[in-house]
Amino acid sequence: DTEVTQTPKHLVMGMTNKKSLKCEQHMGHRAMYWYKQKAKKPPELMFVYSYEKLSINESVPSRFSPECPNSSLLNLHLHALQPEDSALYLCASSSFRGAYEQYFGPGTRLTVT
Amino acid sequence: GENVEQHPSTLSVQEGDSAVIKCTYSDSASNYFPWYKQELGKRPQLIIDIRSNVGEKKDQRIAVTLNKTAKHFSLHITETQPEDSAVYFCAASATSGTYKYIFGTGTRLKVLA
Repeated sequence: DTEVTQTPKHLVMGMTNKKSLKCEQHMGHRAMYWYKQKAKKPPELMFVYSYEKLSINESVPSRFSPECPNSSLLNLHLHALQPEDSALYLCASSSFRGAYEQYFGPGTRLTVT
Repeated sequence: GENVEQHPSTLSVQEGDSAVIKCTYSDSASNYFPWYKQELGKRPQLIIDIRSNVGEKKDQRIAVTLNKTAKHFSLHITETQPEDSAVYFCAASATSGTYKYIFGTGTRLKVLA
């Protein structure tokens, strides 16, 4: 199984809502990533987890809160988002962090109203 | 900081012709260079990669070349087909430092039938 899965596929939320994005992989990868992608732009790194510990936080606002409950799961908790946070949120995983192949999930298309 | 420049930003070719996309990286510690294809509304998909101990790698119609001295690497697609139309992103990563991917800005390839 070489697939990374994400739920939900689409999410519309108001600025006062709390929601969560979920990501799962069963490839035994020990590094997992959250990226944000705006239209016509490359993925922009948000967080990196290595061995279930947060190793990189790219100065992301606290309204985004990551969580890695176990080696297969990665969550992104959302609270009090702004309209400019609307984007495609991609999860990825790799064997280890660094110079290894990263495999992306299909993404969650988030719209903040 | 680390940077990856990618050119051209858009590329149109006739079906059957070749396409070349070029990237230049700044971090001399970079030693892994993946290429991703992203179709509209889909996830980035790893199509080929190369490590710094290799100068060229080929997989059917696609190939990647690396010039470490010049810090250049390129994607070559031969016998292009309409299904090759997508946005292509290059990236650079290292086994030291921040360990993260530095993405290029993307190339929109259109293959005209």
